Amino acid sequence: GEDVEQSLFLSVREGDSSVINCTYTDSSSTYLYWYKQEPGAGLQLLTYIFSNMDMKQDQRLTVLLNKKDKHLSLRIADTQTGDSAIYFCAENTSGTYKYIFGTGTRLKVLA
Amino acid sequence: DSGVTQTPKHLITATGQRVTLRCSPRSGDLSVYWYQQSLDQGLQFLIQYYNGEERAKGNILERFSAQQFPDLHSELNLSSLELGDSALYFCASSLHPGSDADTQYFGPGTRLTVL
Repeated sequence: GEDVEQSLFLSVREGDSSVINCTYTDSSSTYLYWYKQEPGAGLQLLTYIFSNMDMKQDQRLTVLLNKKDKHLSLRIADTQTGDSAIYFCAENTSGTYKYIFGTGTRLKVLA
Repeated sequence: DSGVTQTPKHLITATGQRVTLRCSPRSGDLSVYWYQQSLDQGLQFLIQYYNGEERAKGNILERFSAQQFPDLHSELNLSSLELGDSALYFCASSLHPGSDADTQYFGPGTRLTVL
């Protein structure tokens, strides 16, 4: 199948770390992306990782990739109320034109 | 601001009507993607164009069509509209689809409401 799966909701307290999980299906060389969608807005690219990498860090964001389990996670350190949004993971097989998006995880940050 | 523009921002119309949504990609990007986002179906890929040619097709209904013009802007035409077509329609653009680390940049979307 071509499903990218995510849990629908996550709630964390301000200052805690958030971990948003995603599983993908493609077994060939793949780019995996994280996008953020704030209310009423489009999707904003946060970061991406290639499937031959295990980890990528960018300021408060850490992406971890478990290739064996086809599991991708996005960790947000010191979560702030401004991080409240829907987070989408997406996969794109290198050399193809097709992107597959997950259902999105709605992150709610409690003050 | 992603550099991708979409018009109109909001559109309200009646069942059976036809509408056209417009997208201008980021400067230099050759490829345009269209997506539909509804509450119950998440983000669905509709269709992709590269330099004026259709390159990939997703879950696009036969009532829907799209094209990309020589100046690289794209239009999505939705006809015989039904209540279920109410959704957010996003356009995204990218520079080198199919190449390594090609990333898509999304426009702000057009919210279509069919009454």
